[in-house]
Amino acid sequence: DIQMTQSPSSLSASVGDRVTITCRASDSISNSLNWYQQKPGKAPKLLIYATSGLRSGVPSRFSGSGSGTDFTLTISSLQPEDFATYFCQQSYFTPLTFGGGTKVEIK
Amino acid sequence: EVQLVESGGNLVQPGRSLRLSCVASGFTFDDYAMHWVRQPPGKGLEWVSGINGNGVGVGYADSVEGRFTVSRDSAKNSLYLRMSSLTNDDMAIYYCVKGVGSTWYPDDAFDIWGQGAKVTVSS
Repeated sequence: DIQMTQSPSSLSASVGDRVTITCRASDSISNSLNWYQQKPGKAPKLLIYATSGLRSGVPSRFSGSGSGTDFTLTISSLQPEDFATYFCQQSYFTPLTFGGGTKVEIK
Repeated sequence: EVQLVESGGNLVQPGRSLRLSCVASGFTFDDYAMHWVRQPPGKGLEWVSGINGNGVGVGYADSVEGRFTVSRDSAKNSLYLRMSSLTNDDMAIYYCVKGVGSTWYPDDAFDIWGQGAKVTVSS
């Protein structure tokens, strides 16, 4: 199975900060990488699909980049509603697999 | 409004079976792949199963292969997950999820999520 490794596992940041989360795949997955946001007690929400495609309705401060094995989710200016846990997920190999998550907390 | 509503979550004894259901609305059900994704208490996400929009192609995580069966009924706009030989490791919130495309693999993404169905495995 493809292992997805996210870093960091948690971070503390302030409103207005630029935040970067990385996701590394154990093998090349082309651009088949998606990002999700989950808030406590809620279902996850799709933010970014196919590495850099912004889902309709998602603020433009969210962006994704990368290819092959290394990928990045960037939040250009952190807002109060962005404090949450973020997961990456690959859809290139079966079984489909997720990263372990990155919890973004208030500094 | 696109909506997915799960049902069937329950407390079940180890070794027993359970069926989850999910009713979809607000989109053309047959046009999209559907998935089940689970999340154990306090832990991360695990893809469980996917099924193509036409119901022909299916896939499973290694951890459930041979024990779980996914199916869909286009007449009822419904997705199902039949789970058997349940163990403590299967205890989780199970989410019904709409894909962005018509095939569950490759290159699908988990577009719309239900509220989740809680499965508790305990004697």
